[in-house]
Amino acid sequence: DAMVIQNPRYQVTQFGKPVTLSCSQTLNHNVMYWYQQKSSQAPKLLFHYYDKDFNNEADTPDNFQSRRPNTSFCFLDIRSPGLGDAAMYLCATADRAGQYFGPGTRLTVT
Amino acid sequence: AQSVTQLDSQVPVFEEAPVELRCNYSSSVSVYLFWYVQYPNQGLQLLLKYLSGSTLVKGINGFEAEFNKSQTSFHLRKPSVHISDTAEYFCAVSPQNRGGSNYKLTFGKGTLLTVNP
Repeated sequence: DAMVIQNPRYQVTQFGKPVTLSCSQTLNHNVMYWYQQKSSQAPKLLFHYYDKDFNNEADTPDNFQSRRPNTSFCFLDIRSPGLGDAAMYLCATADRAGQYFGPGTRLTVT
Repeated sequence: AQSVTQLDSQVPVFEEAPVELRCNYSSSVSVYLFWYVQYPNQGLQLLLKYLSGSTLVKGINGFEAEFNKSQTSFHLRKPSVHISDTAEYFCAVSPQNRGGSNYKLTFGKGTLLTVNP
């Protein structure tokens, strides 16, 4: 089945220690998104790609970076995680019919 | 710009009762409409969508929604809920005239549906 895969599902990192979350997709969509979702809130868009064209949301902190080496893979790098960055991180792809989400990575910062 | 209002943050119901989760939107352009469901520690799963055609849309798990353009609403309904329907439900819109990378969704704040035995 075509799908969006996120690894790992759960990630624990230490305060200030860089961490990378990964996303892959078999849908061959040009568009990919990274969202941050905190408890009992809607997902908040961090970035999106159209092919390799990168678009950063205006209020995304500089601490968050992203890479997309090819159509299938996308990475979210958090350079110096703070306690406030603990959240669920969701990756999604899109076509004209809507967005398709991965299962998410739950990030804990200790 | 678009905005989405989900009128109820929490909806408790008993098993086998009907439920309606309300969603209203505001937009200066025509929009596509979506409902997503999120189970604990999971990603968002598409329940149903309105792109065009019949305003009554049927989705997975027995849910349906009706698009009402004059009232700018897209309420979600199920005639008989199960314990397994307990989850967070998000209404979302996306502008219709989408070219290039403009598939962005604007989400409501979510409605927590709790089904009690």
